[in-house]
Amino acid sequence: ETGVTQTPRHLVMGMTNKKSLKCEQHLGHNAMYWYKQSAKKPLELMFVYSLEERVENNSVPSRFSPECPNSSHLFLHLHTLQPEDSALYLCASSQEGLRSPLHFGNGTRLTVT
Amino acid sequence: AQTVTQSQPEMSVQEAETVTLSCTYDTSESDYYLFWYKQPPSRQMILVIRQEAYKQQNATENRFSVNFQKAAKSFSLKISDSQLGDAAMYFCAYRSAISGSEKLVFGKGTKLTVNP
Repeated sequence: ETGVTQTPRHLVMGMTNKKSLKCEQHLGHNAMYWYKQSAKKPLELMFVYSLEERVENNSVPSRFSPECPNSSHLFLHLHTLQPEDSALYLCASSQEGLRSPLHFGNGTRLTVT
Repeated sequence: AQTVTQSQPEMSVQEAETVTLSCTYDTSESDYYLFWYKQPPSRQMILVIRQEAYKQQNATENRFSVNFQKAAKSFSLKISDSQLGDAAMYFCAYRSAISGSEKLVFGKGTKLTVNP
């Protein structure tokens, strides 16, 4: 298996639920990202992990909690979300320092009811 | 902060014809990278073409080429001999060349329809 894999593909959750999004990259990259894609808006960078350390957190609400246990895996833990958090969540990876482009997964379509 | 603007929310083209998608950006940096990504209904963002700001020559990838005007901060994408499979959302993106600034800044996207 190659590339960037995200699971689940679709997720519907209530505002009181706790769920996690998973991302796995098989490209040997050392940086991973979470982006949020909402309708009619540019992709918004949420978090960046470089060498398993969080290097960027773009003022994301604390109900989103990222975790990067190793360079191949990235999680986004969700709890007490709001309906406006419904969006497509995209994971990406890159090889930092080699000016490589980002490689994206297929995303998780999240609906908060 | 850098910004990327795509002024065309939607574009359409006839199959086999040529279409140009516009992108402008704002930055105070002199070294950076520009990208065009394609997002088909499968949702995966696929890299179409990239341009390094220090290179004057416009990048080309088969039927895809760019017109990079650094002074004007313009980075348009030309798709030649359009195919039905080219139908997708196209996003222009900017990335700083400063080490440690690996994030991409995206435009809002242009939806391209290819008519048979």
